[in-house]
Amino acid sequence: NAGVTQTPKFQVLKTGQSMTLQCAQDMNHEYMSWYRQDPGMGLRLIHYSVGAGITDQGEVPNGYNVSRSTTEDFPLRLLSAAPSQTSVYFCASSNRRDSYGYTFGSGTRLTVV
Amino acid sequence: AQTVTQSQPEMSVQEAETVTLSCTYDTSESDYYLFWYKQPPSRQMILVIRQEAYKQQNATENRFSVNFQKAAKSFSLKISDSQLGDAAMYFCAYRTRVKSGGSNYKLTFGKGTLLTVNP
Repeated sequence: NAGVTQTPKFQVLKTGQSMTLQCAQDMNHEYMSWYRQDPGMGLRLIHYSVGAGITDQGEVPNGYNVSRSTTEDFPLRLLSAAPSQTSVYFCASSNRRDSYGYTFGSGTRLTVV
Repeated sequence: AQTVTQSQPEMSVQEAETVTLSCTYDTSESDYYLFWYKQPPSRQMILVIRQEAYKQQNATENRFSVNFQKAAKSFSLKISDSQLGDAAMYFCAYRTRVKSGGSNYKLTFGKGTLLTVNP
């Protein structure tokens, strides 16, 4: 099925560990982004990309890295996990940087202990 | 700061009845987009309805409609003939620029309204 695929769905990390959350889309969307969802706070933008090779920071980028080597993939890297990064992470894509149509993945629930 | 406010943390409705979820926003832009997203327990974010600010006509999608009051910066969601499957967290969102004066955009979300549908 066409859409945004995120893996893994669940992950538990120990403080200080690193990991990569995967995001792939097969809709040839040029715009991709990562959000985190915390209780009582809605979703907040971490990083975004407007095309292969182009990324920029959102509202809460600290502790995360991204890269965009292909149109399809936009992985999110946690360099040294902290308990404050316990959250649900969503990847979203759209077909234009200023499009009003965003497609979300199913999310990754990350727990850092 | 540009914000989205959902003043009702929780709402409940009887099956087959109508419920309205409130949303207000703050923006200095003249052309923008507003959205309602539904998040069921599965966690998936599902687009329910969207509204372009330059359109005066309120958007409608089947049982879902909005009351868009641009001057009041209000964007409420009405769900008619509520069904058990409508139970979810509902988020109001607004498309804003990532950086002031920039050409890239993000979604700014409210904190959500948890809707319960009673049989």
